[in-house]
Amino acid sequence: KAGVTQTPRYLIKTRGQQVTLSCSPISGHRSVSWYQQTPGQGLQFLFEYFSETQRNKGNFPGRFSGRQFSNSRSEMNVSTLELGDSALYLCASSVDSNTGELFFGEGSRLTVL
Amino acid sequence: AQKITQTQPGMFVQEKEAVTLDCTYDTSDPSYGLFWYKQPSSGEMIFLIYQGSYDQQNATEGRYSLNFQKARKSANLVISASQLGDSAMYFCAMREGLPYTDKLIFGTGTRLQVFP
Repeated sequence: KAGVTQTPRYLIKTRGQQVTLSCSPISGHRSVSWYQQTPGQGLQFLFEYFSETQRNKGNFPGRFSGRQFSNSRSEMNVSTLELGDSALYLCASSVDSNTGELFFGEGSRLTVL
Repeated sequence: AQKITQTQPGMFVQEKEAVTLDCTYDTSDPSYGLFWYKQPSSGEMIFLIYQGSYDQQNATEGRYSLNFQKARKSANLVISASQLGDSAMYFCAMREGLPYTDKLIFGTGTRLQVFP
C-alpha cells in the first residue's frame, strides 16, 4: 500500500514568487492536513481538508491557501513568498477516525532566496 | 490554551538499553488524544503510538509504550531495547477535543542518539 506522496521533494524559489505543493494521500483516506516545520517555530498546523472542504485552519496569513480535489489529493499554495516561508511542509492523511492516527509524507522542503 | 512540553532537547542511550522521553501537556478539554512520532533525518514523520484520554490502559506498540499519567498530565514514551536505528527526533503531540479533526499540537521534540 502506497504511503502519502508529496511533490516536489525539494524546491528553490525567490522572494515574491509563488509555489504550489502537492499531496496524494493514502488510498481510501479522505482527510488531508498540512503542517509547516521550521527550526524557529517548530511544527505548526496550517489547515486540513475533508471531502473537499476546509475543516480547520491554523494561524497563518492569507498568502497560504489550499484545496482538496474529489480524489482527496490536496494542494497548498503560498503566494508572494517571503524568506521566512523557507520550511519543510508536511502533509498527512487519515481515514478520519477518532484515533486520529495520521500518516505523514516525507515533506516538501522549500527554500526561499 | 493547549500546550505540549518536551523538556529534553537531547538524550543519549546505549544500544539495548531502555530510554524514557518526557512529555507533559496542558488542556482543559476532557477529550483529547496523545501521540508520539519519530522523525529521522529524511524528514518523514513516523507514527509510533497513540493514547486516548479515556483509555484505561497504557498504550503499547512493540518496543514502544506510553506511560500515561492523567492526573499529572504526562505522556512519556518508553523505548525498550534501543536500537541504532532509533536515533532520530521524537515529537509528542496532542489532538484537540473536537471529533474528527487532524489538527495536532506538537512539542519541540527530543533528539535521541543511540550509541553502540
